[in-house]
Amino acid sequence: DIQMTQSPSSLSASVGDRVTVTCRASQDIDSFLNWYQQKPGNAPNLLIYAASSLQGGVSSRFSGSGSGTDFTLTISSLQPEDSATYYCQQSHSIPLTFGGGTKVEIK
Amino acid sequence: QVHLVESGGGLVRPGGSLRLSCAASGFTFTDFYMSWIRQTPGKGLEWLSYISSRGTTIHYADSVKGRVTISRDNAKNTLHLQMNSLRAEDTAVYYCARNRVNDAFDIWGQGTVVTVSS
Repeated sequence: DIQMTQSPSSLSASVGDRVTVTCRASQDIDSFLNWYQQKPGNAPNLLIYAASSLQGGVSSRFSGSGSGTDFTLTISSLQPEDSATYYCQQSHSIPLTFGGGTKVEIK
Repeated sequence: QVHLVESGGGLVRPGGSLRLSCAASGFTFTDFYMSWIRQTPGKGLEWLSYISSRGTTIHYADSVKGRVTISRDNAKNTLHLQMNSLRAEDTAVYYCARNRVNDAFDIWGQGTVVTVSS
């Protein structure tokens, strides 16, 4: 199975800050990497697919990059509504697997 | 409006069975693969199974293989997950989700809670 490791597990940043979340795959997954945002009590919401493609309706302050084993989710200017947990997920191989999550809090 | 609505969760004793359902609306159900995913505080998000648009291709996670069966009724736009031999560690929120191309999950239901306890 492909293991997905996210870092950090949590972070606190101010409104307007640039925030970066990292995801590392245990083997090469090309660009088969997706990012989700989850707020308490809600299901995850797809933000980025195929490593860097923005899902329709998602704010352009979210962006994704990377390929192979190392990937990044960037929030260009953190907003209060971005307080949530973010997950990466690989879709290269069965079983499809998720990272452990990064909780983003607003200072 | 695109919607997925799960049902069938509840409290069940260890060794028992449950059948989860997911009603789809607002899109052409037969165009999409569908998945079941669960979430626990301890293990996070765990993909369990997916089924192809016509039901001809199915995959399971090892953690549930042999104990769960995914199926779909395309005439009724409904996805199912039959779960048998339930264990305490199956306690979770269970989500159905739509697979977009490249197996990202672009639509999720609200989730249904399964609690396995005596």
